[in-house]
Amino acid sequence: EVQLVESGGGLVQPGGSLRLSCAASGFTISSYWMHWVRQAPGKGLVWVSRINTDGSITGYADSVKGRFTTSRDNAKNTLYLQMNSLRAEDTAVYYCAREAGGWYVDHWGQGTLVTVSS
Amino acid sequence: DIQMTQSPSSLSASVGDRVTITCRASQGISNYLAWYQQKPGKVPKLLIYAASTLQSGVPSRFSGSGSGTHFTLTISSLQPEDVAAYYCQKYDSVPLTFGGGTKVEIK
Repeated sequence: EVQLVESGGGLVQPGGSLRLSCAASGFTISSYWMHWVRQAPGKGLVWVSRINTDGSITGYADSVKGRFTTSRDNAKNTLYLQMNSLRAEDTAVYYCAREAGGWYVDHWGQGTLVTVSS
Repeated sequence: DIQMTQSPSSLSASVGDRVTITCRASQGISNYLAWYQQKPGKVPKLLIYAASTLQSGVPSRFSGSGSGTHFTLTISSLQPEDVAAYYCQKYDSVPLTFGGGTKVEIK
């Protein structure tokens, strides 16, 4: 069974940093592009980033470009999101997701909540 | 960047009703469109990709159509378990923008 488990969320002050992890099981992430998607409380889904199978190609939403970095450790079957210079508007549940054959996603983790507040 | 606009933002319909949700792209995206369902307190679930291909295991009352800039998600006979928010997403190129969502409730 495909499982994605995010961790690393929590409360951080504006301007601070946080690193999220997404541990995969039931499949080998080295064969899949992976995504991060976020959802502010009571709001809609917002695509954040995408990374290819070996980590050499990444893509980001304009709202996080230059502040967030997606990476992966295929040996650990784990995806990461390094978030720097955090702002109040980055407060959200962050989901990692596995890309299907196209650029859409077919499996989602349960999400981890990031709260940016002083 | 291409914008994705969903309408309506919410709707209320009776069990058994036919429900249609629209998603418009600000520029053509061919058929690179997916639909997701997110039930209250749950994780999003893929319903449809390539504008009209039903994901495995999704009930046949769900269908998608469209190409270019105009897309629709139809629920042929609304069921109580369909109460959820529905999102379209373009995936022709980065950024992979979602629509604003449509909340579906039972009248």
